[in-house]
Amino acid sequence: GESVGLHLPTLSVQEGDNSIINCAYSNSASDYFIWYKQESGKGPQFIIDIRSNMDKRQGQRVTVLLNKTVKHLSLQIAATQPGDSAVYFCAETSIYNQGGKLIFGQGTELSVKP
Amino acid sequence: DSGVTQTPKHLITATGQRVTLRCSPRSGDLSVYWYQQSLDQGLQFLIHYYNGEERAKGNILERFSAQQFPDLHSELNLSSLELGDSALYFCASSVDPGNQPQHFGDGTRLSIL
Repeated sequence: GESVGLHLPTLSVQEGDNSIINCAYSNSASDYFIWYKQESGKGPQFIIDIRSNMDKRQGQRVTVLLNKTVKHLSLQIAATQPGDSAVYFCAETSIYNQGGKLIFGQGTELSVKP
Repeated sequence: DSGVTQTPKHLITATGQRVTLRCSPRSGDLSVYWYQQSLDQGLQFLIHYYNGEERAKGNILERFSAQQFPDLHSELNLSSLELGDSALYFCASSVDPGNQPQHFGDGTRLSIL
């Protein structure tokens, strides 16, 4: 089924610590996954993506891990900074079968304490 | 700046009215997607247009319609507005459906009084 909005989980971390945000996706046929960051008053901003033929991908200070066996996605942020405070969404799609439709998770609010 | 432009930023109107939201995709992107974000439903896909043609539909109400013009900008039309239509409406674009990710605009906040 599709993800439905619920109470937003929150993660509070100290500046400089590493953050891990988790996401359980819903469709075993999904083959492409994205993490977005949404700040107040802004649209979702692309952070990093991964295709289903990979299990790990690294960017600048961010790493995405994909476990297809348990349909789990995680976003790791190294040396978290106050500017990382935002709501983070995972999204999934099947590029060739979904017509570009992204299914979003409920989001996790990350709060970074200075 | 994602390169996706949405106007207006805010819209306040009354029940029963009709509004049009506008989106200009990133230069070179042929696909335009519309999403609705509300507190109780999260981010929900509405509709996707590719190079002027409808490509996919989500849970879009019959009172809502969209189109993509030859210059690739898109409009989302919402009619017979109800209180429950109050939400953020986002437009996103990508080169084409097979070329992701989608890049989002900053949305239009629609308030129905």
